Amino acid sequence: DSGVTQTPKHLITATGQRVTLRCSPRSGDLSVYWYQQSLDQGLQFLIQYYNGEERAKGNILERFSAQQFPDLHSELNLSSLELGDSALYFCASSPNSQAVGYGYTFGSGTRLTVV
Amino acid sequence: DQQVKQNSPSLSVQEGRISILNCDYTNSMFDYFLWYKKYPAEGPTFLISISSIKDKNEDGRFTVFLNKSAKHLSLHIVPSQPGDSAVYFCAASLQTGANNLFFGTGTRLTVIP
Repeated sequence: DSGVTQTPKHLITATGQRVTLRCSPRSGDLSVYWYQQSLDQGLQFLIQYYNGEERAKGNILERFSAQQFPDLHSELNLSSLELGDSALYFCASSPNSQAVGYGYTFGSGTRLTVV
Repeated sequence: DQQVKQNSPSLSVQEGRISILNCDYTNSMFDYFLWYKKYPAEGPTFLISISSIKDKNEDGRFTVFLNKSAKHLSLHIVPSQPGDSAVYFCAASLQTGANNLFFGTGTRLTVIP
């Protein structure tokens, strides 16, 4: 157990629907990152929050949004889902806004299947 | 555009031998490089990193080599063990201070007992 908790582990939904993925960071970590891993692709950075504030944004679609709550858990909202949104979504956390050198701690991911 | 590339999707090695996983990058502004290991149904776990000011970093059986002029890094595992069988991701970060990581597509290592 890495200490980063993601729920649900699996999600199957229809095109056009909206889903919410949840992440609880490791105790004491203030930064949360969201990554998407599509089939045979590397992890693609979506967005980072630090202590409730958006810190960095990657190639996140406008249909996607995220937030970090006062208790530091984060939610990734995906709307108007398309087949191509099917992927593994990983959340990671780090103690502060600068994680490089020792890396992040990843959760085990949420597998989203859009049918 | 894939800025970090792992051109070998898979690698098989006999137990006890050396495993060499390769990674190439295109962005000369990358200043930190990391390797992650991923088992099925788990998230990636941090393995080892190297700063761009170094050319080698060693941690037990794992050594990462960086060749900046060639924009190439490699992970050596010696000796390889069956428990090392996993997908290995190479990742890089930029000097700008934004600390998101750019990942390669991964190499699946199989260590044969």
